Amino acid sequence: AQSVAQPEDQVNVAEGNPLTVKCTYSVSGNPYLFWYVQYPNRGLQFLLKYITGDNLVKGSYGFEAEFNKSQTSFHLKKPSALVSDSALYFCAVRDINQAGTALIFGKGTTLSVSS
Amino acid sequence: NAGVTQTPKFQVLKTGQSMTLQCAQDMNHNSMYWYRQDPGMGLRLIYYSASEGTTDKGEVPNGYNVSRLNKREFSLRLESAAPSQTSVYFCASSEQGGIPTGELFFGEGSRLTVL
Repeated sequence: AQSVAQPEDQVNVAEGNPLTVKCTYSVSGNPYLFWYVQYPNRGLQFLLKYITGDNLVKGSYGFEAEFNKSQTSFHLKKPSALVSDSALYFCAVRDINQAGTALIFGKGTTLSVSS
Repeated sequence: NAGVTQTPKFQVLKTGQSMTLQCAQDMNHNSMYWYRQDPGMGLRLIYYSASEGTTDKGEVPNGYNVSRLNKREFSLRLESAAPSQTSVYFCASSEQGGIPTGELFFGEGSRLTVL
């Protein structure tokens, strides 16, 4: 069975500081991994994905994520946080061997960036 | 392009009433999904349709039915609403269900309250 865990309900960081939002996953085969962001009263927006290739993936709004197969992690990072990055972030996973299946989402991490 | 459109955006029901949430996408995507979002629970998959003419249960299908009316439209029906179905419902679509590399595109959500 597929699963994804986001161990932190909330991450607080000061503007200008680096941020990390953690995600670990479990799949039977190789994973497809995604990060989404949700602003208040809005739908989820795609940030980035890892399918294959380089372990460091770059996405929208200056975010990047590092795929670590040995640690089964896919942490979201940004070198310098902005107040406007404050939102709810979701990690999601899909097993590439499970054709026709949907994404499984984590419970979400609220990022709060203070000025 | 409108992307993924959900109606209604807000609805209040009494226990036992029925209703249908409508979803339409204009991106010619093959796959469509219904998720519910509850505080602290993240997004949980209710039903999905990998392609026109097929539907499959997700993690929390009980109390719901779906119809893939055509390639554009995927509706979610609550036959006899219960307070436990109070939630925010999101419809999403993706390009290919059988080759799961594509990201999901989400609607703005439908906020349902069951009294």
